[in-house]
Amino acid sequence: GENVEQHPSTLSVQEGDSAVIKCTYSDSASNYFPWYKQELGKRPQLIIDIRSNVGEKKDQRIAVTLNKTAKHFSLHITETQPEDSAVYFCAASIEKGNEKLTFGTGTRLTIIP
Amino acid sequence: KAGVTQTPRYLIKTRGQQVTLSCSPISGHRSVSWYQQTPGQGLQFLFEYFSETQRNKGNFPGRFSGRQFSNSRSEMNVSTLELGDSALYLCASRLRPENQPQHFGDGTRLSIL
Repeated sequence: GENVEQHPSTLSVQEGDSAVIKCTYSDSASNYFPWYKQELGKRPQLIIDIRSNVGEKKDQRIAVTLNKTAKHFSLHITETQPEDSAVYFCAASIEKGNEKLTFGTGTRLTIIP
Repeated sequence: KAGVTQTPRYLIKTRGQQVTLSCSPISGHRSVSWYQQTPGQGLQFLFEYFSETQRNKGNFPGRFSGRQFSNSRSEMNVSTLELGDSALYLCASRLRPENQPQHFGDGTRLSIL
């Protein structure tokens, strides 16, 4: 089955700097890659997603890049703010296949004011 | 639109008991997936229901079961509870078969004494 690895497990950045979180996946059939943000005691919330027919997607300060050949995808957050502090999860699934989300182990991002 | 609603929010049970958790999806969403979240194992897929049928299943023992009703509401049952079943159980709903992301509820935190 699919295996998703996520790095780093913790990340601290100064407010205003950029943060990058990386994930690799094992199943070449995976074609949908969402990112979720989970604040303490709250539900995971989708922040951005990308499909395998696209190499990059951007939404304001957040961007995701996908390298299908290398089977890795990354989350980029620019101009970080204190409210970006949370745990971020990457995931992979096969749309129009089994469609279950396989999650990475999470990255705890701390923004230092 | 109301989000995904899970009840109860908190549950305390003892070993050997059984428990039933409930999930009401976003209106119009017919797919409901269940995930277990623990500090050690992260987010793990339990199963997905669509049109009252289980479509996918994760690697959990048969003590974990579920069902879906005609109004798309879903229940998850865990029998013969073990200490290791202590976790946050998250439900997510989405439109299907359209390619739409999963939206999570706040979860039910289950503690086994």
